[in-house]
Amino acid sequence: QLQLQESGPGLVKPSETLSLTCAVSGYSISSGYYWVWIRQPPGKGLEWIGSVYRSGSAYYNPSLRSRLTISVDTSNNQFSLKLSSVTAADTAVYYCARPIGPAAIYDAFDMWGQGTMVTVSS
Amino acid sequence: DIQMTQSPSTLSASVGDRVTITCRASQRISSGLAWYQQKPGKAPNLLIYKASILQSGVPSRFSGSGSGTEFTLTISSLQPDDFATYYCQQYNSYSTFGQGTKVEIK
Repeated sequence: QLQLQESGPGLVKPSETLSLTCAVSGYSISSGYYWVWIRQPPGKGLEWIGSVYRSGSAYYNPSLRSRLTISVDTSNNQFSLKLSSVTAADTAVYYCARPIGPAAIYDAFDMWGQGTMVTVSS
Repeated sequence: DIQMTQSPSTLSASVGDRVTITCRASQRISSGLAWYQQKPGKAPNLLIYKASILQSGVPSRFSGSGSGTEFTLTISSLQPDDFATYYCQQYNSYSTFGQGTKVEIK
């Protein structure tokens, strides 16, 4: 049974770097899929942040690309998000997810973590 | 960027009603369209993918249709558990979501 669990600081200061990790259990990241980060500001809609493959190849939302790094750690079966120079606009629930298809960079998402709230504030 | 526009933003309905939500894409996306249901404090739950394929375990009262730029999600007979917010998502080019449609009790 696949499970995804986000972890990281719940509070980040403006201009600093937001760092989150998604631990995957019940499936080996090395077996495939493009693993995904999605976020949702309070009371607002969903935003795809980016995807990473087992090889480390990453695909980013153009609006975040200059501040974003998504990486994979196959030895610990997890993947990570780093978003630099954060502002209040980056305050959101951050979800990690897995798409429904094993080979598609862009796809529907059938498996989600529970989400973790990150607030950007001094 | 492909923009996704959902309508209506809010929908008031009663148990047993037939409900339709529309999602329009700013350019053609073939059938790269998914629908999700989200309840407060929870992650979204996939209902439909490839515009019309029902995800495993999702009740058959949910259906999706459309292609190109216009898509619909239909709930044939609204149940108490269906009051939630619904999002469409295109994944033909990058991935973008609609702004959501809240289905509330009339």
